[in-house]
Amino acid sequence: AQTVTQSQPEMSVQEAETVTLSCTYDTSESDYYLFWYKQPPSRQMILVIRQEAYKQQNATENRFSVNFQKAAKSFSLKISDSQLGDAAMYFCAFLTQGGSEKLVFGKGTKLTVNP
Amino acid sequence: NAGVTQTPKFRVLKTGQSMTLLCAQDMNHEYMYWYRQDPGMGLRLIHYSVGEGTTAKGEVPDGYNVSRLKKQNFLLGLESAAPSQTSVYFCASSPLGRVDGQPQHFGDGTRLSIL
Repeated sequence: AQTVTQSQPEMSVQEAETVTLSCTYDTSESDYYLFWYKQPPSRQMILVIRQEAYKQQNATENRFSVNFQKAAKSFSLKISDSQLGDAAMYFCAFLTQGGSEKLVFGKGTKLTVNP
Repeated sequence: NAGVTQTPKFRVLKTGQSMTLLCAQDMNHEYMYWYRQDPGMGLRLIHYSVGEGTTAKGEVPDGYNVSRLKKQNFLLGLESAAPSQTSVYFCASSPLGRVDGQPQHFGDGTRLSIL
């Protein structure tokens, strides 16, 4: 079974600075997808960024980028120029294949942005 | 453009009562999912469905039942509510086939308290 581990329950960053959230996963699959979701206090689950395992190039979405290390099974999220609106819970997730496409979530990292 | 709609948004029950949470999606998605979110636990899959008339168990199915009589609706039932089922419940849906963008579309959640 796939597992996703986020080793940092909480992180904080100063506004305008850069922060990196860690995520590791365990799987025997060779083709899969990884995601970072943001959950603000409103409870909405908002997709931040996605990465296909077969792509070596790291995904980037504006101020958000990932460092995908397939061999190490590591998928960290870097937030540059942090803004107050980035404060939220961040969840790393792995998408299983095989017909059901189930998401397996990590336990989350609470990010605080200090003005 | 409603997406995934969950009803109700909040509910308080007494131990032993029963209730049904409704999830409706208007995107013609094949797959639908029910998750629960508890503090420090991330989202955990309760049950899912890969099409109308089908259901399957997820990671934490005990104490819940589901039905998918219509493609657009996925119902989650608690036959005899227990305090351990106090949680925030999320419904999600996804299309059949290759992931092209957002892997799953989430509802806004239902906060359920069992006294």
